[in-house]
Amino acid sequence: DTGVSQDPRHKITKRGQNVTFRCDPISEHNRLYWYRQTLGQGPEFLTYFQNEAQLEKSRLLSDRFSAERPKGSFSTLEIQRTEQGDSAMYLCASSLETGSLPYFGAGTRLSVL
Amino acid sequence: GQNIDQPTEMTATEGAIVQINCTYQTSGFNGLFWYQQHAGEAPTFLSYNVLDGLEEKGRFSSFLSRSKGYSYLLLKELQMKDSASYLCAVSHEAGTALIFGKGTTLSVSS
Repeated sequence: DTGVSQDPRHKITKRGQNVTFRCDPISEHNRLYWYRQTLGQGPEFLTYFQNEAQLEKSRLLSDRFSAERPKGSFSTLEIQRTEQGDSAMYLCASSLETGSLPYFGAGTRLSVL
Repeated sequence: GQNIDQPTEMTATEGAIVQINCTYQTSGFNGLFWYQQHAGEAPTFLSYNVLDGLEEKGRFSSFLSRSKGYSYLLLKELQMKDSASYLCAVSHEAGTALIFGKGTTLSVSS
């Protein structure tokens, strides 16, 4: 499978715990995006990378959220001290170059109890 | 600010034609995308418009008017499998992340 893959697909955690999600983009795609999507809403932009550089962060990305893409390939999104409001689908997308079509992964669904 | 509006829900019957509208107000414009998303799945690309006019791709067509900040997605010969959420998204600047509307949930009945 050469699409965008995300792991895990589902994560259930207790409030206050830390969680980390992984995204593997399509090979050679140098742009990688993280979005959050809640029920009945469209995806909301969180952050994006050009290779290993994090170029933009949304104001939605609080201090408890951190994203990395250390080698310009896979990326991780960590949420510290999770809150119930963090429950959502976290989507990753990648694209080849500036302005080209982003392809989405199936997402990681987070439930915070 | 950035704003994208589309209807929340629409219903239609098999074989019919449905038009899903999208209006946008963004600080810039570098193209408009339509995605389809089935429940619990990834958004999948349907169409892309950067110039005014109609883009046709099989049963799906998309129209853009940049001067009016308006687009629509036209679905013909509806099938039950077309029941999904349809997301309108704008690229306001080359290379930046897409801005999405809230999506339109389409229900197709027999």
